[in-house]
Amino acid sequence: GESVGLHLPTLSVQEGDNSIINCAYSNSASDYFIWYKQESGKGPQFIIDIRSNMDKRQGQRVTVLLNKTVKHLSLQIAATQPGDSAVYFCAGGGADGLTFGKGTHLIIQP
Amino acid sequence: GAGVSQSPSNKVTEKGKDVELRCDPISGHTALYWYRQSLGQGLEFLIYFQGNSAPDKSGLPSDRFSAERTGGSVSTLTIQRTQQEDSAVYLCASSSMGGSETQYFGPGTRLLVL
Repeated sequence: GESVGLHLPTLSVQEGDNSIINCAYSNSASDYFIWYKQESGKGPQFIIDIRSNMDKRQGQRVTVLLNKTVKHLSLQIAATQPGDSAVYFCAGGGADGLTFGKGTHLIIQP
Repeated sequence: GAGVSQSPSNKVTEKGKDVELRCDPISGHTALYWYRQSLGQGLEFLIYFQGNSAPDKSGLPSDRFSAERTGGSVSTLTIQRTQQEDSAVYLCASSSMGGSETQYFGPGTRLLVL
């Protein structure tokens, strides 16, 4: 089955710097990946997704990169702001559903 | 509605009592999921409903846990004879079709069993 994991439980960055959160997956048949943001006391919120026929997708201040060769996914947040402080989950899967990683807690230093 | 809603937002109960948690998915979404999230942990899959198909109950941790989805919309997760280890946030999500479609989450119900 699929397993999805994040490399670091906590990431601390300076306000204004770029943040990079990484994720690895095990199932090469996975064809859809999502990043979620979960603020304290709230449910996960969809940020951005990417399908396996792409290797990069950009949103507002966020970019997701997919490297299928090494089964690696990353979320890049440009000019990190205090409001970006949250736990970020990756999820991946296919027709059988999604598997969620544990999350990386992004901490913003002033 | 605009998003997935859940009630109650918080629930404190005594060990041994039964609790019911409610989820209202996004209108028109055929797939509904329940997850459990313990403090500092990831999402633990509990159960999945897709249309009129039999639910996937493979994630339910014990027979004290059950869920229903009436009329293909609202779902209720019931925990009988609650235990302290049941304390967690219970999240509901819905998606338009299931499978690999994006799941949209509700705010969760925070359950504390004393």
